Amino acid sequence: AQTVTQSQPEMSVQEAETVTLSCTYDTSESDYYLFWYKQPPSRQMILVIRQEAYKQQNATENRFSVNFQKAAKSFSLKISDSQLGDAAMYFCASDQGGSEKLVFGKGTKLTVNP
Amino acid sequence: DADVTQTPRNRITKTGKRIMLECSQTKGHDRMYWYRQDPGLGLRLIYYSFDVKDINKGEISDGYSVSRQAQAKFSLSLESAIPNQTALYFCATSGSSLIDTQYFGPGTRLTVL
Repeated sequence: AQTVTQSQPEMSVQEAETVTLSCTYDTSESDYYLFWYKQPPSRQMILVIRQEAYKQQNATENRFSVNFQKAAKSFSLKISDSQLGDAAMYFCASDQGGSEKLVFGKGTKLTVNP
Repeated sequence: DADVTQTPRNRITKTGKRIMLECSQTKGHDRMYWYRQDPGLGLRLIYYSFDVKDINKGEISDGYSVSRQAQAKFSLSLESAIPNQTALYFCATSGSSLIDTQYFGPGTRLTVL
């Protein structure tokens, strides 16, 4: 079974600074999708960014970008110019290479300090 | 109006009671999912459905059942609730491919005493 590992249960960053959240995954498939979801205190799950494994170019969405290292099975999220509203739980997720189901990591709680 | 709604938003019940959590969506999506979130464990898939006639077990289906009443409705039942089913439950929908965004409902906080 595929696993997704987030090794940082908690992270903190100063407002306006940059922070990187780590995620590693395990799969035997060559083509798959990777996602980062944000869960603020309102508990709503919000898609932040997604990456298709066959695309070498790292995905970016405004202040959010990923560092996708396929050989290392690593998928980290970089948040630039951190804002107070970025404070949330962040979950990394992956499909199982065509199973059409998501497997989530255990999450990283991000605190943004003013 | 929200695209994915869940009722109730919060529920406290007793061990042994039957509970139904309901999910409705206005996205017109075929795919619907039920997840469970526990502190420190992330989200785990309970059941999923790719269309009205297609129901599949997820990672942790024991103790749960589902019903897909229509394209827009997907209900999760706990036939005899137990305390370790206390959790936050999410419904989600997506389009025809997993690369499509999964839209999540607001969640149901269930407490089993």
